[in-house]
Amino acid sequence: AQSVTQLDSQVPVFEEAPVELRCNYSSSVSVYLFWYVQYPNQGLQLLLKYLSGSTLVESINGFEAEFNKSQTSFHLRKPSVHISDTAEYFCAVRFFGNEKLTFGTGTRLTIIP
Amino acid sequence: NAGVTQTPKFQVLKTGQSMTLQCAQDMNHEYMSWYRQDPGMGLRLIHYSVGAGITDQGEVPNGYNVSRSTTEDFPLRLLSAAPSQTSVYFCASSISGSTDTQYFGPGTRLTVL
Repeated sequence: AQSVTQLDSQVPVFEEAPVELRCNYSSSVSVYLFWYVQYPNQGLQLLLKYLSGSTLVESINGFEAEFNKSQTSFHLRKPSVHISDTAEYFCAVRFFGNEKLTFGTGTRLTIIP
Repeated sequence: NAGVTQTPKFQVLKTGQSMTLQCAQDMNHEYMSWYRQDPGMGLRLIHYSVGAGITDQGEVPNGYNVSRSTTEDFPLRLLSAAPSQTSVYFCASSISGSTDTQYFGPGTRLTVL
């Protein structure tokens, strides 16, 4: 079965500390992987994506994610978080041969001053 | 460019009523989609369209109808509202498919009594 799982529904982190938000998927076919971010009372915005090539992808605001095919994971990391990173983060997967985008249940990142 | 616009922002319906959620984009995007967002369930795809005149079902299509008569507009119709349809609805568009960056509207918060 094809699915995507975000293991943590909430992650509290102290300001300037590192963070990792986990995303795992289950698939027998190739995948395309995405992280979207939703700031309070807004729609979602693309943070970064992996389609092919280098397995490490970066965003303009310091986040990075690494596609690990053997672990079927695409975890999102940031070495030092800021108050402005407070948001809900969604992992999304497109399975090869399927036009639909499947979202995980989301991880709410709370930054503690 | 206004991007993706959705109307109304808020709506309260009684069980059995019908209504149409409007979605429009001014970016000449071919791909448009509707999601519903519920607590703890992430975003779930309702319907999507790869171009004018072409629509297809997502994960949770029951109780919803769509049509795509123009590139710009992708309305979502609730035929007979039920309390289970209480949710936040997001429309999104992209250039040509789900691997392209999805641009989300601000959402419509719907309550069905």
